[in-house]
Amino acid sequence: AQKITQTQPGMFVQEKEAVTLDCTYDTSDPSYGLFWYKQPSSGEMIFLIYQGSYDQQNATEGRYSLNFQKARKSANLVISASQLGDSAMYFCANRDDGAGSYQLTFGKGTKLSVIP
Amino acid sequence: ETGVTQSPTHLIKTRGQQVTLRCSSQSGHNTVSWYQQALGQGPQFIFQYYREEENGRGNFPPRFSGLQFPNYSSELNVNALELDDSALYLCASSFSLTATRGKQYFGPGTRLTVT
Repeated sequence: AQKITQTQPGMFVQEKEAVTLDCTYDTSDPSYGLFWYKQPSSGEMIFLIYQGSYDQQNATEGRYSLNFQKARKSANLVISASQLGDSAMYFCANRDDGAGSYQLTFGKGTKLSVIP
Repeated sequence: ETGVTQSPTHLIKTRGQQVTLRCSSQSGHNTVSWYQQALGQGPQFIFQYYREEENGRGNFPPRFSGLQFPNYSSELNVNALELDDSALYLCASSFSLTATRGKQYFGPGTRLTVT
C-alpha cells in the first residue's frame, strides 16, 4: 500500500520569498508517479506538478519545482517568489500503478499562508 | 477551470437516506475517478470508471456505488447514509486510462452533510 507523509500542517512565508513543502512517500513499486495539487478554499484540486519515478531530471512548472530524491523517498515542492494567491492547502500524492487504476493516494496536506 | 463539473454544489441529507452525486467530465475524457475528502484530510480514492466499467475500487463499502454513461459522465450513489459520510466528494477525469498516469482534472466537488 502507498503512503504519503506531509509533516508540516501549516507553513508561513513572506511574499516574494521561496518556500519548500515537504513530502515523503513509501512504496515498493519501481514504477510510480508523484504529484502536487493546490486546493484553495473553493475546494477544487488544482494540478501543479508531476514527477515520474524514472524521470532523470527534477520536474519544473513555472514557479513550481519538485525536489525529487529517490533514495530518500522524498518529493518536496519548492515555490519560488511566493504570491498572496498561493495561500491554500497543498497536497502531495502518489500514483499507484499496481492495480491498473492509477489511483492517487494523498497526504494530509500542508496549509500555506503567504504574508504580505 | 478544468471543464469538469459536479452537481449539486452542496447537499444536506438525513442519516439512512440515499444520495446521488453527478460529474460531467471534460470533453473527450473517458476515465473518471471519485474521491472522498473528509474535513482536514486528504482525498481518499473511492473508485474509478473507464469506458463505463468499474476499473478499481478503494476501501469503501458496497453502499458506495457508481455508474458511467456512454457520454462518460458519471454518478456516485451512496445508500444508507451515515454521519461519517459527510465530506467533500471530488471527481477527476483524464483523457484515457493511460493518461491517468499523468494529469487528472478535478471538479469543484460536492459538499455533502449528513445530519
